[in-house]
Amino acid sequence: DVKVTQSSRYLVKRTGEKVFLECVQDMDHENMFWYRQDPGLGLRLIYFSYDVKMKEKGDIPEGYSVSREKKERFSLILESASTNQTSMYLCASSLGQNNEKLFFGSGTQLSVL
Amino acid sequence: DQQVKQNSPSLSVQEGRISILNCDYTNSMFDYFLWYKKYPAEGPTFLISISSIKDKNEDGRFTVFLNKSAKHLSLHIVPSQPGDSAVYFCAASPIQGAQKLVFGQGTRLTINP
Repeated sequence: DVKVTQSSRYLVKRTGEKVFLECVQDMDHENMFWYRQDPGLGLRLIYFSYDVKMKEKGDIPEGYSVSREKKERFSLILESASTNQTSMYLCASSLGQNNEKLFFGSGTQLSVL
Repeated sequence: DQQVKQNSPSLSVQEGRISILNCDYTNSMFDYFLWYKKYPAEGPTFLISISSIKDKNEDGRFTVFLNKSAKHLSLHIVPSQPGDSAVYFCAASPIQGAQKLVFGQGTRLTINP
């Protein structure tokens, strides 16, 4: 089974802090994604990457950056956390040929106080 | 602007009956549609998909119907089981294998014994 592992289940941070959310997948997938899930808004794409050191902006990239130094790892960075970034963050990966087979991690619930 | 809409935030169905979840989209470029299912404390998992060349796709108890002229798709679950209680997300893509999916807001389905 494909496993996508997110390093933290819950995080509480202060406004202005730099926050790192880590994601690792173990199936040699080409594509990796970061989404946030908010009530009434569904899943919204923040950034994605289709190769090592490559990144593309999603629909809501403002206030975020990403890093993909190794194929299996995709990090989401909040340079200066704000309260409106309180959300459930979901990492996903896919083979790269058929996008429907997105495999998601369990999510990180981030609270910014 | 919500390009994929699930107008029912929640749905309650009796065990053994049919569950029908609906999804509307506005972008006529969408050509490939998917349903994901999410349990609490887990990431979404792929359920079923359909391309625009079909109007129906079936997988066991799950059937997805697509009405392109109405820009509407629906997911039917027959018969509904308690384990089907989850949040269901509709998603759309311009072509199969595209890098980005657009998700709806989700519908919480509760199956009552």
